[in-house]
Amino acid sequence: GQQLNQSPQSMFIQEGEDVSMNCTSSSIFNTWLWYKQDPGEGPVLLIALYKAGELTSNGRLTAQFGITRKDSFLNISASIPSDVGIYFCAGRVTNFGNEKLTFGTGTRLTIIP
Amino acid sequence: DADVTQTPRNRITKTGKRIMLECSQTKGHDRMYWYRQDPGLGLRLIYYSFDVKDINKGEISDGYSVSRQAQAKFSLSLESAIPNQTALYFCATSDGMEQYFGPGTRLTVT
Repeated sequence: GQQLNQSPQSMFIQEGEDVSMNCTSSSIFNTWLWYKQDPGEGPVLLIALYKAGELTSNGRLTAQFGITRKDSFLNISASIPSDVGIYFCAGRVTNFGNEKLTFGTGTRLTIIP
Repeated sequence: DADVTQTPRNRITKTGKRIMLECSQTKGHDRMYWYRQDPGLGLRLIYYSFDVKDINKGEISDGYSVSRQAQAKFSLSLESAIPNQTALYFCATSDGMEQYFGPGTRLTVT
């Protein structure tokens, strides 16, 4: 099945630093989603993007829907310890009655004390 | 209370055994999904259901079956478990817009 290329695979940063990660696809998506997964839990939706070029914020998180519709970016500003976890992008080709998501392989964020 | 619950949360079983994972939701959503998560592979769709009478295969349905007993319940079965089915399994629901995930079931097949 199709997978999205998500990078980087892992990040080690210090508290207070800004974080950037991205996803790219060979196919066009009409929706991009960003999820965060904490250890032992299911993914939680952070931001949803529905329009090419859209820039959406959720607190310290900002995500953008790429103009080409083949990529998306997530930025976290001034990281804090609770930002630790795995971040997944997901894309959707929204056809009528079809809303299957394709997930990226995840970016594992670790904060170094 | 959680909107999407999964039972059991952890299960160890032996090769060849039949096992059922259950998912219940209180969100009132029609659409339900089963995903499998393996390290380095993200989440992959096993089966999905858009209503009680609708069942669809995902990208990795071989070796799995599902049952949609009611709008709120969607079960995943492994008829004869094998070690490479060791993984994290997630149920999700959707109102037609976004998907909301349960806490997961960690399954180990020895």
